[in-house]
Amino acid sequence: GESVGLHLPTLSVQEGDNSIINCAYSNSASDYFIWYKQESGKGPQFIIDIRSNMDKRQGQRVTVLLNKTVKHLSLQIAATQPGDSAVYFCAENRAGGYQKVTFGTGTKLQVIP
Amino acid sequence: GAGVSQSPSNKVTEKGKDVELRCDPISGHTALYWYRQRLGQGLEFLIYFQGNSAPDKSGLPSDRFSAERTGESVSTLTIQRTQQEDSAVYLCASSFNMGGGNEQFFGPGTRLTVL
Repeated sequence: GESVGLHLPTLSVQEGDNSIINCAYSNSASDYFIWYKQESGKGPQFIIDIRSNMDKRQGQRVTVLLNKTVKHLSLQIAATQPGDSAVYFCAENRAGGYQKVTFGTGTKLQVIP
Repeated sequence: GAGVSQSPSNKVTEKGKDVELRCDPISGHTALYWYRQRLGQGLEFLIYFQGNSAPDKSGLPSDRFSAERTGESVSTLTIQRTQQEDSAVYLCASSFNMGGGNEQFFGPGTRLTVL
């Protein structure tokens, strides 16, 4: 069936280094993608989104890249900080009308001080 | 402004008891979602509301689970005859409208423990 999944369940990064979290999706009809950050004991928090008419979108210290050819999504975090330690989820759905958002299983990012 | 709130934050109950979880979405958000998150796992969709109606209940795991929404605002998720496998964090989210491509704002969740 259609699914959204992640390549790495955990990722350990040295403070100050860049982090890259990957996500694969299989629904070719998906045209809206979101990254969420979930800190321990809290609900997911929106980080950044991208629509399928874009390949790249930048936020503050974060960049999302979308490769529709291979159905791959990545989240890049520049100069990773201890506060970035969390579980990161990618999610996908289709714009227009109700479409259930499908969440990936999550990647845990551990920042080493 | 106020975000999505959920109550209680924690609920411990005995197997077989009924529980009711509450979600207060962001004012003006017409879409409301319930998810279940087991420890160390991703989000499992339960039900979606548009206004007070639920066009998608496909994620409710059994007939012990039900949800309602009133006044296009507050929603309650009820679990009857709770089982130990119901133990999880139940997350509520709301968004501005039902269109795909709209950001969902999540509440802090209710941690349910069934003994």
